[in-house]
Amino acid sequence: EAGVTQFPSHSVIEKGQTVTLRCDPISGHDNLYWYRRVMGKEIKFLLHFVKESKQDESGMPNNRFLAERTGGTYSTLKVQPAELEDSGVYFCASSRKGLAGVNEQFFGPGTRLTVL
Amino acid sequence: GNSVTQMEGPVTLSEEAFLTINCTYTATGYPSLFWYVQYPGEGLQLLLKATKADDKGSNKGFEATYRKETTSFHLEKGSVQVSDSAVYFCALIRNYGQNFVFGPGTRLSVLP
Repeated sequence: EAGVTQFPSHSVIEKGQTVTLRCDPISGHDNLYWYRRVMGKEIKFLLHFVKESKQDESGMPNNRFLAERTGGTYSTLKVQPAELEDSGVYFCASSRKGLAGVNEQFFGPGTRLTVL
Repeated sequence: GNSVTQMEGPVTLSEEAFLTINCTYTATGYPSLFWYVQYPGEGLQLLLKATKADDKGSNKGFEATYRKETTSFHLEKGSVQVSDSAVYFCALIRNYGQNFVFGPGTRLSVLP
């Protein structure tokens, strides 16, 4: 079974440009999460999808960030326009639904975003 | 709010040394606690977890015990190997389906 995949692995853009990150969760996983680690600090939650619906987007830093999950499969995270402080590693994670207790979130390898 | 604090790194050890990475948390209620590891060039992997007080999580020689009285979940390993070199993240989650709260990560380098 393939794990969570993310594309691209690394993106270098200039301030003011637009970048779109993609995450493909594990097949059949309804829950999809975006996190980011900025400047070597803690990994912070951005938002959570259940299928195609945004369950919790309380971690989105501002309206320059737009996440979508059309059809409840893969998700994209667009940053427009990018700022210097957006540089960091963006992680995606997915988990199954319907399990009792706390289920495991499986993380992708991350996309390293560098804004110059 | 919920938060996780970890000891600052980097931590550099010789092979076969004893490892402790401290982790303390602040949370309402009874969170589940986790250690994740990120090896160079790879994603985050679950190392171990504990879901209630006094539980001990263990995997690959690593152990951590959920201590509610001290709100801690320290990671230990009796004899580290070069292959353990990675970044270790302590994390908590309040309830099913909610997001993780992570600590800042501790980079471990093990020298041969």
